[in-house]
Amino acid sequence: QVQLVQSGAAVKEPGSSVKVSCQTSGDTFDSFGISWVRQAPGQGFEWMAGIIPYFDTTKYAQNFQGRVTIAADKFTSTVYMELSGLRSGDTAVYFCARTHSFSGHYFYYMDVWGEGTTVIVSS
Amino acid sequence: DIVMTQAPDSLTVSLGERATINCKSSQTVFYSSNKKNYLAWFQQKPGQPPKLLIYWASTRDSGVPDRFSGSGSGTDFTLTINSLQAEDVAVYYCQQYYTTPQTFGQGTKVEIK
Repeated sequence: QVQLVQSGAAVKEPGSSVKVSCQTSGDTFDSFGISWVRQAPGQGFEWMAGIIPYFDTTKYAQNFQGRVTIAADKFTSTVYMELSGLRSGDTAVYFCARTHSFSGHYFYYMDVWGEGTTVIVSS
Repeated sequence: DIVMTQAPDSLTVSLGERATINCKSSQTVFYSSNKKNYLAWFQQKPGQPPKLLIYWASTRDSGVPDRFSGSGSGTDFTLTINSLQAEDVAVYYCQQYYTTPQTFGQGTKVEIK
């Protein structure tokens, strides 16, 4: 059973940064991508970024360009997502999801999701 | 970005009846070279992550009951839940992965009448 294990909840002040981790298995790391998707309270989903660790491919949504960075640690099969310049609108649950990919460039459907990490931005 | 619009926003259905959710994309998500529609459906229950139900518009994910089915092509898609069960109460989302950023519909809440 594939699992994605995310780091715990965080409370951050406006203007600061948060780093969320997502640990999976080596098989997932070698064969799939990982996407980050967030869900604000009572809202829908927003795709933020994705990485295909085997090819070192990263893609970012324009809405988050310059504020979000994702990176993969191949030794621990962990993907990190860091979001900077936090504001109240970034309060959300952040999910990582295993993503089927093609040719090292294309991100397809997401079939296994982590439980989510709640990030609250408040002074 | 591709805008995904679902209808209706909410749906009340009797147990054992059929629920139908529609999803429209602002541009095609059909890739002619491989004849695939880059469209997925998810189910989300309160406090849980989304669960993949359908990908490539009509392929059920492993373990998904066959009362769930997906159809459509191009810009218009449908999720059908035949013989609604109590455990199907949830919010359902369509999502396109034709381009990044991948985008989701606003969700359809399904309840029991």
